[in-house]
This record gives sequence, structure tokens and C-alpha cells, in this order.
Amino acid sequence: QKEVEQNSGPLSVPEGAIASLNCTYSDRGSQSFFWYRQYSGKSPELIMSIYSNGDKEDGRFTAQLNKASQYVSLLIRDSQPSDSATYLCAVHGGGSNYKLTFGKGTLLTVNP
Amino acid sequence: GAVVSQHPSRVICKSGTSVKIECRSLDFQATTMFWYRQFPKKSLMLMATSNEGSKATYEQGVEKDKFLINHASLTLSTLTVTSAHPEDSSFYICSARVEGTNEQFFGPGTRLTVL
Repeated sequence: QKEVEQNSGPLSVPEGAIASLNCTYSDRGSQSFFWYRQYSGKSPELIMSIYSNGDKEDGRFTAQLNKASQYVSLLIRDSQPSDSATYLCAVHGGGSNYKLTFGKGTLLTVNP
Repeated sequence: GAVVSQHPSRVICKSGTSVKIECRSLDFQATTMFWYRQFPKKSLMLMATSNEGSKATYEQGVEKDKFLINHASLTLSTLTVTSAHPEDSSFYICSARVEGTNEQFFGPGTRLTVL
């Protein structure tokens, strides 16, 4: 059973702070890793994809991947109230079925 | 790019009726689409993988005769909830995979209420 675990949250940070979201996965053969943002009542939106060990930066977002530790994280710098949402970690374990395994999500609240 | 639409966005129907939901990839072709269901404050639950030109692959516990999936073209998949009951009321979301990647882009979702 492939599992993706996220810190349960909720996570609350002040505006302007760095928010750190963490995710671990059980399938060592996993190759593709994604972070989605889901606002309340809306569908998920893809914000980051990462495939190689190390950091990947896109604006205020940085994804970090460590395959040896089976760990992927998302850092949000200069957090804004508009970043308040549930963040979903998703992992593709390889193979041809293309399914993603999602974590349960971490609710982030950024306080003005 | 990578825009996915769903129609309708919201539907209310009587118990026993069937409801069809359309999922379209607007600016890319998708041989693989996915259907998810999400109850309030709960996790996304994958229902089935929709494959263009072939039968859908259903997750364990999902009744294929109740949730009919058709993926007749590279840009359209449909989910029909047959003989809907109040317990089928949920937020149904589709996603489409960009060819050559494992990235999935989600549609805006369809909120189904069965009275």
C-alpha cells in the first residue's frame, strides 16, 4: 500500500513569515512529486512539480526533494493571507497507470 | 495552458435520476483522465482512471455500473452517476494528464446534490 503522509496541521503563520510544509512517502521507487493548493470549496491547483533531488524554486515557492529520506517539502516565503489553503502532496510511484497518491493535506492559515 | 473545464458546475437532482458530468481538456490532448470524489473536509478519493478509447479502470469499492465513464475523444471524458441517491451527493472533480508527464490538471469540479 503506497502511502503519502503530511504533517497534520493546521499550520498557522504570520504574514511575511516562511511556511514549511512536509511530506513523506513510502514507495522508494517514486519518481514524480507534486504540490497542489486547494482553496476551500474549490478544486486542487498544481503549484509545483519536482523530479530530482535538491531544490526547485518558483517565485515565493521552493520545493525540496530528498529521495534517500523519502521526503519532499514546500516552503512558502513571504507568506500572504491569500496563501491560506490546504496544500496537498502527491506522488507518482512509477509504472504506467499514471495514478497519483495524495496525502490528506495540510491546512495553512496565514494571519494578517 | 493546461486548462480543464467541467460542466455542469452544480447540479441538483431527484433521487433515482441519472446525472452526466463532462470533463474537457481545453488546450491539450489527454489520453488519460481521472475522476475523483471529495466529501466535505475530507481527502480526495480517486474513483477511476479514464482511458481514451478503452474501458475505464475503477478503484476498489467503486461500482462501475453506477458510475459510468466514457472517454470517447482525446479531450472529453464523461461520468454518469446512474440512479443517484442522497449518499452520492458530493464534489466530483476530474483531472487530465498532460502527455509525456505525470502532471494532472484539475477541472473546477461539479457539486452534486441528490434530494
